[in-house]
Amino acid sequence: AQSVTQLDSQVPVFEEAPVELRCNYSSSVSVYLFWYVQYPNQGLQLLLKYLSGSTLVKGINGFEAEFNKSQTSFHLRKPSVHISDTAEYFCAVSDSATDKLIFGTGTRLQVFP
Amino acid sequence: DAGITQSPRHKVTETGTPVTLRCHQTENHRYMYWYRQDPGHGLRLIHYSYGVKDTDKGEVSDGYSVSRSKTEDFLLTLESATSSQTSVYFCAISGRGRDQPQHFGDGTRLSIL
Repeated sequence: AQSVTQLDSQVPVFEEAPVELRCNYSSSVSVYLFWYVQYPNQGLQLLLKYLSGSTLVKGINGFEAEFNKSQTSFHLRKPSVHISDTAEYFCAVSDSATDKLIFGTGTRLQVFP
Repeated sequence: DAGITQSPRHKVTETGTPVTLRCHQTENHRYMYWYRQDPGHGLRLIHYSYGVKDTDKGEVSDGYSVSRSKTEDFLLTLESATSSQTSVYFCAISGRGRDQPQHFGDGTRLSIL
C-alpha cells in the first residue's frame, strides 16, 4: 500500500515570508496527489491536485505545488504567507491498489505578525 | 462548500451507549466515506460506500458499522461506544475514479466519557 510522509508537524513563519510544506509519498507507477487545508473547527478543503501533465500545479489562495517523480515529493509552497493561512495542511495520495485516499499526518502552519 | 451536512456537530455520551452519526449530501455523489481524525494520525478511513446498500471496510473499521439506504444519507454507528472512539469524525463524498477529489463535511466532535 502507498504511504504519505509529512516530516514537519509544525511550521512557524512570519507574515509575508515564503513557506514550503514538505510531502513525500511511496513510489508508484501512477500517482494522483492532493493537498488539503483545514481551518479550525472546519472540514478539509481541496487546495490543489496533481493528476498528470505539468509538474507545477497552482491552487487556491496563491498556493502551488511541484510534483517531483525522481524524489517522490509533492511539496507545497507559497511565496508570501498571510495570517489567514494559519491552518493545518494535509497531503494525500490516491492509492493505486484500492482507489482510496491515504493522508499524511498533517502540518500545522502558524503565521505570526 | 459542497452540500454535505453532518449531524450532530457535537456529542458527549457515556461508555457502552450506542451512537449514530449522520451524513447527508445534496450532490448526488455515488461515493461516501467516514473518517476519524486524531492527533498524530491524520485522517483514517473507517468505512465507505460506493452505492446504495454497497459498503466496505476501511483501515479502522473495528467497533463501527455503517448503512446507506438512500443515495443522500450515510450513517455511522458505534454499537457500544468506548473511550478510544473519542475523536472528530468527518464525512466525505466524491465522484467515481481515483482522480476525483473528496469533499468534506464540517465534522462531528464525539466525546465518550
